[in-house]
Amino acid sequence: DTEVTQTPKHLVMGMTNKKSLKCEQHMGHRAMYWYKQKAKKPPELMFVYSYEKLSINESVPSRFSPECPNSSLLNLHLHALQPEDSALYLCASSPRDGRLSSYNEQFFGPGTRLTVL
Amino acid sequence: SQQGEEDPQALSIQEGENATMNCSYKTSINNLQWYRQNSGRGLVHLILIRSNEREKHSGRLRVTLDTSKKSSSLLITASRAADTASYFCATDGPGSARQLTFGSGTQLTVLP
Repeated sequence: DTEVTQTPKHLVMGMTNKKSLKCEQHMGHRAMYWYKQKAKKPPELMFVYSYEKLSINESVPSRFSPECPNSSLLNLHLHALQPEDSALYLCASSPRDGRLSSYNEQFFGPGTRLTVL
Repeated sequence: SQQGEEDPQALSIQEGENATMNCSYKTSINNLQWYRQNSGRGLVHLILIRSNEREKHSGRLRVTLDTSKKSSSLLITASRAADTASYFCATDGPGSARQLTFGSGTQLTVLP
């Protein structure tokens, strides 16, 4: 299995809702990432998990809460979002072993298109 | 933060022509990667070039890297309509080896 899967594909939520995005990979990758991408812009890194531990948080507002229950799963919990949070949310994984100085090609999921009303 | 800038922002060519996209970056790197993204979809890794390499080929793709100028180019030869997509360079710096920073992207349109 060489895929990164993301659910749901589309999500519409109100500003008072609580929802979660899910990402899954079964390639044995030990680094996983959340990105946010606005239209016609490059992906912006939000969080990095390495060996199921949060290693990078790019000053993301607390209304976004990541969780890595195990090495194959990555969740992004959403609460009290704003309309400007509407975007494509991309998950990626990387085979990189943090102890080695090797390249880190990232494998991306198809994304969740989030609309906040 | 966005490190790379790409030019052109948009490129429109006829099928069969070559397409060249350029990427510039600001800090030292371990490697530079190119990704492709079809509209509203995830990114697909195309090719990686290490900082000690100057040129790399993969099928119809040719990537060059000039670390003295902090720049890279992606050449797609004999383009096809299916090559229509956004193309992003991404750099992996020595200080944050698990973190990629993406360039601004080039929107390529190949007309049949």
